[in-house]
Amino acid sequence: AQRVTQPEKLLSVFKGAPVELKCNYSYSGSPELFWYVQYSRQRLQLLLRHISRESIKGFTADLNKGETSFHLKKPFAQEEDSAMYYCALSGRSGSGSRLTFGEGTQLTVNP
Amino acid sequence: DGGITQSPKYLFRKEGQNVTLSCEQNLNHDAMYWYRQDPGQGLRLIYYSQIVNDFQKGDIAEGYSVSREKKESFPLTVTSAQKNPTAFYLCASSIGTDISPLHFGNGTRLTVT
Repeated sequence: AQRVTQPEKLLSVFKGAPVELKCNYSYSGSPELFWYVQYSRQRLQLLLRHISRESIKGFTADLNKGETSFHLKKPFAQEEDSAMYYCALSGRSGSGSRLTFGEGTQLTVNP
Repeated sequence: DGGITQSPKYLFRKEGQNVTLSCEQNLNHDAMYWYRQDPGQGLRLIYYSQIVNDFQKGDIAEGYSVSREKKESFPLTVTSAQKNPTAFYLCASSIGTDISPLHFGNGTRLTVT
């Protein structure tokens, strides 16, 4: 079974402060991890994926297999980062791969 | 605007009635998915399809049914057997099921009274 946990439903920071959105996963195989974001009045979209090892909009996320975590970080938060963030894991089931999402974290960046 | 189209945006039904949510994509993606989004519970997978005329149950398939007769279409029927059907439903597609990013529709909010 695969499971994703985002322990914080709500996270509030001030503009310019560092932000970290936590994500922990449970999966017996080798996981593929993603972060998806949903801005107000927009559709859910991919933010980044761990295999790309890239920084998107200043966000980075490192897969830590020892801690089974994939936390999303940004050193200086901006107001436009306010959104709902979902961590997701792609793992193989009996019928191909499937994406499992966490509960989501609503990030608010205050001016 | 290419991508995934879900219709209608809002849907209201009486309890005991079946209702079908539409999802169409013009991205030529093989795989399509239906998720249910509830506050505090994230997205939960209802059904997914990797190829035409084939689909698999997700984590919460009870009370739902789907069909995949065409590559571009993956309608979801919420049956009267679904005990708590009021929710926000999201359709998504991807090139394939192996670590391909999902492209989401705008969603349909279903209210059953």
